[in-house]
Amino acid sequence: EAGVVQSPRYKIIEKKQPVAFWCNPISGHNTLYWYRQNLGQGPELLIRYENEEAVDDSQLPKDRFSAERLKGVDSTLKIQPAELGDSAVYLCASSSRTDQETQYFGPGTRLLVL
Amino acid sequence: GQQVMQIPQYQHVQEGEDFTTYCNSSTTLSNIQWYKQRPGGHPVFLIQLVKSGEVKKQKRLTFQFGEAKKNSSLHITATQTTDVGTYFCAGIAGGGNKLTFGTGTQLKVEL
Repeated sequence: EAGVVQSPRYKIIEKKQPVAFWCNPISGHNTLYWYRQNLGQGPELLIRYENEEAVDDSQLPKDRFSAERLKGVDSTLKIQPAELGDSAVYLCASSSRTDQETQYFGPGTRLLVL
Repeated sequence: GQQVMQIPQYQHVQEGEDFTTYCNSSTTLSNIQWYKQRPGGHPVFLIQLVKSGEVKKQKRLTFQFGEAKKNSSLHITATQTTDVGTYFCAGIAGGGNKLTFGTGTQLKVEL
């Protein structure tokens, strides 16, 4: 069974540029999470989807961040414009309906904003 | 908001020594999970504890959930170089379903 897939794995951009990250969860997992992990810290939830509905986006900086999961499968997280402080690893995770509390993480996208 | 702290932040041990990391939440938890993240890797789920006072073992790893469901610990017996990484606890506050990660403990094991 394939795990959570994320792309790209690495991204270097200049500040004020836009950037997008893509995530494909484990097949059949209805819940999808986006986390941000700063260096030396634990992951922090940005947004959680149940199917195509964003059920918790309270931690998403809505002035520059947006996310979508139009068909309830894969998802895209966008930052526009990026700031220096956005440099971090962006992790996607998914969980199944029958085991909501076990989250499986993807490899992450390491973003560096110059 | 909910805060989850872990101590120590870093731990260097010699191979064969024991290791313990402690996790404390500012609020009562409905469950606690533990994850391991290797350097450059992503968090990997280890275990979940749900019951007050629960103890679970996985080979050399022993996990405990406090009686008050506000703290937890992970103990590794006779560490090996393969144990290197950062160990995170993560808890869900009672009544909610948001997982809040702790600050992590970075373990280094030297030969």
